[in-house]
Amino acid sequence: GAGVSQSPSNKVTEKGKDVELRCDPISGHTALYWYRQRLGQGLEFLIYFQGNSAPDKSGLPSDRFSAERTGESVSTLTIQRTQQEDSAVYLCASSSLDRANYGYTFGSGTRLTVV
Amino acid sequence: GENVEQHPSTLSVQEGDSAVIKCTYSDSASNYFPWYKQELGKGPQLIIDIRSNVGEKKDQRIAVTLNKTAKHFSLHITETQPEDSAVYFCAASRAEYGNKLVFGAGTILRVKS
Repeated sequence: GAGVSQSPSNKVTEKGKDVELRCDPISGHTALYWYRQRLGQGLEFLIYFQGNSAPDKSGLPSDRFSAERTGESVSTLTIQRTQQEDSAVYLCASSSLDRANYGYTFGSGTRLTVV
Repeated sequence: GENVEQHPSTLSVQEGDSAVIKCTYSDSASNYFPWYKQELGKGPQLIIDIRSNVGEKKDQRIAVTLNKTAKHFSLHITETQPEDSAVYFCAASRAEYGNKLVFGAGTILRVKS
């Protein structure tokens, strides 16, 4: 597609339930990133995938958070046993390593509300 | 790790005036500094970036300056328009390509007409 697509756009879940968020990056973009944005705050890095390299998971806040990516395509971010503090917008971005076209392209995010 | 601080947190200007947003970073190895604009309900959009081998870059009404010695960089918007109203984020990265960005906390810019 023309941009980064995230689904669902909104998700309301009960505390303790698991949720799965999906990201479809721009075709050909080898790098994919997940960020979390709490209300009125900046972007907090979660995880980074680059090709077949081991992902950089250094930003995942707890072992309840995990993410996978199939090759250079779709990624899913899973949050287990959701807590109220997980409520935020989860943003996915992809980028090319082409010097002329480098730069993150973000999706519109998934707004997660844990009640 | 890298820490990016951004000021001010909110900025109100009159249409036609200039707006300046400043960021400082802590990691002297950082060498890529993009700026993103986020409108309500949307993801951030890259508006301009600068790499460590230049001190200034301009694109129409926006410009970015970088002072590597002082570890700070700034976004300048001239002749502001109401459609410039948004949240602006600065970021820094250690590697020019293919590395995670560390973002500032954001600046809410309001342009009053």
